[in-house]
Amino acid sequence: QKEVEQNSGPLSVPEGAIASLNCTYSDRGSQSFFWYRQYSGKSPELIMSIYSNGDKEDGRFTAQLNKASQYVSLLIRDSQPSDSATYLCAGYTGRRALTFGSGTRLQVQP
Amino acid sequence: EAGVAQSPRYKIIEKRQSVAFWCNPISGHATLYWYQQILGQGPKLLIQFQNNGVVDDSQLPKDRFSAERLKGVDSTLKIQPAKLEDSAVYLCASSLGLYSYEQYFGPGTRLTVT
Repeated sequence: QKEVEQNSGPLSVPEGAIASLNCTYSDRGSQSFFWYRQYSGKSPELIMSIYSNGDKEDGRFTAQLNKASQYVSLLIRDSQPSDSATYLCAGYTGRRALTFGSGTRLQVQP
Repeated sequence: EAGVAQSPRYKIIEKRQSVAFWCNPISGHATLYWYQQILGQGPKLLIQFQNNGVVDDSQLPKDRFSAERLKGVDSTLKIQPAKLEDSAVYLCASSLGLYSYEQYFGPGTRLTVT
């Protein structure tokens, strides 16, 4: 079982819709989680961090963490074509290194 | 604030040759990381430094990869000799400290081994 798992997608949503990206993790001791956006040919860019159960909002982005279910999600409201990218979920696992999922490719259709 | 700097941006070498990558972290960041990202996968940690000491190099192929951060600031990652499967993007990241801190990535070096 991978430590951090994501559906590879692509997830296709129309412009203006809410995109919902999901991630599960296997290590119950994981504490901190991050969402990175990666455009094709570019390096990962940090967009959200979440450290405690519940929701954290930043502009059009909301990160959700449920430690009981070992589940992390990212919601993007009012999706724009410029949001089309691969979204990487990452968490600090038991060996205290940042472990990444393989990413979910999001396509926002104009 | 300047971001993480890396060079070169692209490198093409033949198998069995050697190559070196350089990274300069964000000013004041004590922790530096090297990741390998193969197409279609998430970044995989190779090595992490706290100041000039190695914290985790458990996934570094030590028979061919080496890294150093002598003065606790910039770092060099070397591959010698390179194999075809080393073709990947090598990413450097830095953070204020260990564990739970946000990591910020440089632009990466795309290595092609032929």
